[in-house]
Amino acid sequence: GAGVSQSPSNKVTEKGKDVELRCDPISGHTALYWYRQRLGQGLEFLIYFQGNSAPDKSGLPSDRFSAERTGESVSTLTIQRTQQEDSAVYLCASCPGGRNYEQYFGPGTRLTVT
Amino acid sequence: AQSVTQLGSHVSVSEGALVLLRCNYSSSVPPYLFWYVQYPNQGLQLLLKYTSAATLVKGINGFEAEFKKSETSFHLTKPSAHMSDAAEYFCAVSKGSARQLTFGSGTQLTVLP
Repeated sequence: GAGVSQSPSNKVTEKGKDVELRCDPISGHTALYWYRQRLGQGLEFLIYFQGNSAPDKSGLPSDRFSAERTGESVSTLTIQRTQQEDSAVYLCASCPGGRNYEQYFGPGTRLTVT
Repeated sequence: AQSVTQLGSHVSVSEGALVLLRCNYSSSVPPYLFWYVQYPNQGLQLLLKYTSAATLVKGINGFEAEFKKSETSFHLTKPSAHMSDAAEYFCAVSKGSARQLTFGSGTQLTVLP
């Protein structure tokens, strides 16, 4: 498809389990972002990838959170030892880069930790 | 640090009435500003953006916003609300090398028949 895709769309997990969320950006977009949206709140920046540069991890809330991206393709966000406060919608966005600042968002993954 | 304040977490207007959603930013340098809309169970869709060109920005679905540096505001307006405009609206600011977006807390727009 032409847009950003994310999988799974919904994930229910037990507290303490690890989860992996996937993002497929728009082809050719050099920048990729992960955000978290808690219920009734705005989005919080988590991590940013730009090409092959070192990622900007300044928004990750704890060392239980990590993310990888291979080149300018798929990214995975991993949450280890999930906690109930990790329940949120995790959104991925990609951006063409250069002088184009528009971020295109995927539909998100709704994570519920029970 | 930059931040975004959206006044009014819930706004209700009648169909056909003016829509005004308020956004103020704090930034020490001219920012890039965005309005996104989120329909239920969908991702965010870009409505419009300000990137230091024209201060009055026109977006999709009849929305527009005006950048006012003196007021540090970027309010979103639409002359006549439609039922299909009911959604959550987020103002966001971007600056810095990573260009990550800092979002306001959102405004839920309800359109009354």
